[in-house]
Amino acid sequence: AQSVTQLDSHVSVSEGTPVLLRCNYSSSYSPSLFWYVQHPNKGLQLLLKYTSAATLVKGINGFEAEFKKSETSFHLTKPSAHMSDAAEYFCVVSLNKFYFGSGTKLNVKP
Amino acid sequence: KAGVTQTPRYLIKTRGQQVTLSCSPISGHRSVSWYQQTPGQGLQFLFEYFSETQRNKGNFPGRFSGRQFSNSRSEMNVSTLELGDSALYLCASSLSPLRDRSADTQYFGPGTRLTVL
Repeated sequence: AQSVTQLDSHVSVSEGTPVLLRCNYSSSYSPSLFWYVQHPNKGLQLLLKYTSAATLVKGINGFEAEFKKSETSFHLTKPSAHMSDAAEYFCVVSLNKFYFGSGTKLNVKP
Repeated sequence: KAGVTQTPRYLIKTRGQQVTLSCSPISGHRSVSWYQQTPGQGLQFLFEYFSETQRNKGNFPGRFSGRQFSNSRSEMNVSTLELGDSALYLCASSLSPLRDRSADTQYFGPGTRLTVL
């Protein structure tokens, strides 16, 4: 069985401070992992994906995520938040189908 | 390449009616998946089509159905609409290679906002 857990439903940071969105997965196999971002009333946009190459994955808009097999985690980070980062973020695990986390809403305060 | 397109973008229907939503995948993509997104239930998987066949299905009643055409375009139909069907319906397409499906990546359309009155 496999599933994905996003540990925080809401995260609030100040503009210019680091962002950490947490994701843990459970899988019997080495999965592919993704982060998507959704701005209000929009579709999901792919931020980055991990497919068993480098464990540190760089994505768009300054985001990156690190795959840690020992911790079964794939946390999303960004060194400095921008107001435009305010959105909902989804962690996704893929093997033969896609499993979505429940989402983390990121609020960025001025 | 053009992205995933969905039509219409907005739709208002009344209870009991039926609705058909359309999704055109990225050129060359053979898999199309449909999702329902609501504030209460979040993102829920409806079904996936590949080569005109339903490959995976979520836990939705039979009122929700879909199909895929030979050009990979897909339609989703909801019959006998209920108030609870009001949602953002998202379509995603992927290459879905027959080998190493774990490397597959879904690309989403902008969604169709359905309001049932």
